[in-house]
Amino acid sequence: NAGVTQTPKFQVLKTGQSMTLQCAQDMNHNSMYWYRQDPGMGLRLIYYSASEGTTDKGEVPNGYNVSRLNKREFSLRLESAAPSQTSVYFCASRQGATDTQYFGPGTRLTVL
Amino acid sequence: DAKTTQPTSMDCAEGRAANLPCNHSTISGNEYVYWYRQIHSQGPQYIIHGLKNNETNEMASLIITEDRKSSTLILPHATLRDTAVYYCIGNTGNQFYFGTGTSLTVIP
Repeated sequence: NAGVTQTPKFQVLKTGQSMTLQCAQDMNHNSMYWYRQDPGMGLRLIYYSASEGTTDKGEVPNGYNVSRLNKREFSLRLESAAPSQTSVYFCASRQGATDTQYFGPGTRLTVL
Repeated sequence: DAKTTQPTSMDCAEGRAANLPCNHSTISGNEYVYWYRQIHSQGPQYIIHGLKNNETNEMASLIITEDRKSSTLILPHATLRDTAVYYCIGNTGNQFYFGTGTSLTVIP
């Protein structure tokens, strides 16, 4: 039981490049989340998926798109990366709206 | 939305109880209060959560005031491995609001 896994662990991009961050969970959770964490800051919600087939914007969605591929997988795409998107990205999942969120180890992204 | 306020930093002597306060005066009646911690830049780790009753588990205790405007996380016997940033979070449906947390340093 791996919990929440994220790939890649590290990534360096040039401005304007695109990439997709992958997240998978093996706990059969309904809801999945993408957060970003800037230095010295708390986590901020980018997008979430309350259930398979649905996605909604969080606090900071601009510049990102998401896909809930199936119940296990939730990907985050940067179409045209900008230096302001340099951050650590965390994926999380949970079963229901009052349950605990479980977090992945994070992806450290640098945009030059 | 339950936006929370926490002290920026705290110290605690090893072996003593660490009491971390949180103010959540705007919390609504159906919002849970969650506590997570983050060690270095790892993913946040769940500690405990509650609605209005005090809660205890193997990691910590959570004391919520009767008016639910504040709470205290208690680590009964702090160790060096408890050095981390602790987040008190209000939860409305699918939105978690993390804030900047309290940086706890456990001193030998």
